[in-house]
Amino acid sequence: NAGVTQTPKFRILKIGQSMTLQCTQDMNHNYMYWYRQDPGMGLKLIYYSVGAGITDKGEVPNGYNVSRSTTEDFPLRLELAAPSQTSVYFCASSSAGGYTGELFFGEGSRLTVL
Amino acid sequence: GNSVTQMEGPVTLSEEAFLTINCTYTATGYPSLFWYVQYPGEGLQLLLKATKADDKGSNKGFEATYRKETTSFHLEKGSVQVSDSAVYFCALYNQGGKLIFGQGTELSVKP
Repeated sequence: NAGVTQTPKFRILKIGQSMTLQCTQDMNHNYMYWYRQDPGMGLKLIYYSVGAGITDKGEVPNGYNVSRSTTEDFPLRLELAAPSQTSVYFCASSSAGGYTGELFFGEGSRLTVL
Repeated sequence: GNSVTQMEGPVTLSEEAFLTINCTYTATGYPSLFWYVQYPGEGLQLLLKATKADDKGSNKGFEATYRKETTSFHLEKGSVQVSDSAVYFCALYNQGGKLIFGQGTELSVKP
């Protein structure tokens, strides 16, 4: 029972490099989310999607891009990485847009920008 | 706007002690409220929820009551175990398909 799968789990980037964090879910959920988690700051929403072809900005979208071409996949693209993007990134999905509260989270991707 | 405020951590308790983690919220209308737990090295998972005023959510010995008059949703457990050591997040859902999380409270339970 895979649930939400994120790759890679760890990555070190140099300033100015780009990369994509992959997220796949096998629960046929319409809603998908990207959060970043910084120490003592909780989770901040970066982008979210309510279905294939539809994305919207969250609280902290600058420096990131997303796409949602299929129900299953919701990749997060970092362009021109900066040290401020050092964080743990979590992908999540939900069947009911958070109404029931049950978001299913991946295990996280720890990114360091040096 | 919507926001969630939790008590500062870390909270350190001895096994079998009583736990309270405070959570207050700001929201328009009638939000649903949740507690999530994050064990070391893992993603968050739903612990309990309450969708209307005076509802009590409960799971694994944890409880929280939705108090609209005090805009609070405090998490309690009567007797904590070492295995409860984790980070606990309070969250609210109001509208727009998004959950808003508090900053998290780290709990450490010593044997």
